[in-house]
Amino acid sequence: EVQLVESGGGLVKPGGSLRLSCAASGFTFSTYTMNWVRQAPGKGLEWVSSISSSSSYIYYADSVKGRFTISRDNAKNSLYLQMNSLRAEDTAVYYCARGGQWLGTSYFDLWGRGTLVTVSS
Amino acid sequence: DIQMTQSPSTLSASVGDSVTITCRASQSISSWLAWYQQKPGKAPNLLIYKASSLESGVPSRFSGSGSGTEFTLTISSLQPDDFATYYCQQYNSYLYSFGQGTKLEIK
Repeated sequence: EVQLVESGGGLVKPGGSLRLSCAASGFTFSTYTMNWVRQAPGKGLEWVSSISSSSSYIYYADSVKGRFTISRDNAKNSLYLQMNSLRAEDTAVYYCARGGQWLGTSYFDLWGRGTLVTVSS
Repeated sequence: DIQMTQSPSTLSASVGDSVTITCRASQSISSWLAWYQQKPGKAPNLLIYKASSLESGVPSRFSGSGSGTEFTLTISSLQPDDFATYYCQQYNSYLYSFGQGTKLEIK
């Protein structure tokens, strides 16, 4: 089955760190650009970060630049998001989403169920 | 950065109605626009890409149009399963952005 499964969410104090993972299955993970998108409670979707298939190109939203790091391990079919210096406004469901198989921008055609990150003291 | 603005924010309609949601970009994005449907507690689901291309498996009552800065999503003959929140997304720029969402409610 083609799917993405996120894990690693939880409750963390402001200033703390958390590492999210996304396990991919059912498709050739190493050929796709991958993305993280988040959604604060009751709010809309916000793109967080993207990484190209070979990790050569990485992009971040201004709201997380310098604090979050996206990475991938194609041998393990896994995507990661290292989140440091967390703030209350980072509280959200974090989704892993599949982009295109080409260099360049793309829509997101496969999404995981998401993992909830709560930043609170 | 490209800003995406959807209207209306909320839309009330009945089963069988036809509805249209508008999405405007702050600068031209050619046809690099996608539409997603999201139901409460679920992940978004891709409906339309490249402004008017229907994703495989999506019912033909969904259609998209537009280019440049103005786009529309039309749902004809609303079904009970269509009541959800809809988002547009531009992918003209690597700094992707979404509209704020349109909640489609049952009248």
